[in-house]
Amino acid sequence: DVKVTQSSRYLVKRTGEKVFLECVQDMDHENMFWYRQDPGLGLRLIYFSYDVKMKEKGDIPEGYSVSREKKERFSLILESASTNQTSMYLCATPARGGNQPQHFGDGTRLSIL
Amino acid sequence: SQKIEQNSEALNIQEGKTATLTCNYTNYSPAYLQWYRQDPGRGPVFLLLIRENEKEKRKERLKVTFDTTLKQSLFHITASQPADSATYLCALLTSGTYKYIFGTGTRLKVLA
Repeated sequence: DVKVTQSSRYLVKRTGEKVFLECVQDMDHENMFWYRQDPGLGLRLIYFSYDVKMKEKGDIPEGYSVSREKKERFSLILESASTNQTSMYLCATPARGGNQPQHFGDGTRLSIL
Repeated sequence: SQKIEQNSEALNIQEGKTATLTCNYTNYSPAYLQWYRQDPGRGPVFLLLIRENEKEKRKERLKVTFDTTLKQSLFHITASQPADSATYLCALLTSGTYKYIFGTGTRLKVLA
């Protein structure tokens, strides 16, 4: 069975902290995505990666960076956390090809105080 | 501007009835459209995919239609059950891109 694991289900951090969210997949997929989900706004793409060390900005990359040193792991970094980054963060990975489903992790609910 | 819209109001239906959820889009030419189910506090789970050249797709009690002229997809759950209560998301993918665009989801509640 496919598995996407996000390191934390809940996380509370303070304004200005550097925050790391980790995602690991066991499917050997090239593509990995980070989204945030907010009420009324749906899922918005922050960054995606289509191979190791390759990344592209999504629709809302400001305040975030990513790291993909190994194929199975994709990390989202909040350089200096702010209260408007309080959200649900979801990692996903589809197989290559547009006809493939995305497999999501269970999300990290991040609160910035 | 590009938009993908799902009914933001919750949909309440009686058990045993057919639930119909709508996904409308503007200024996209999607190659694929997907439907997901999301339970509270969990990540979305893939249900069905339909291609631009397909009119209809079925899987057990689920049916998806895709009308590229109307720019609309309908998602049907027949013989609905309380266990079908969840938020349902549509997502589209245009050809030549990795980026999926998601709707905001419709919350479905099936009443026993």
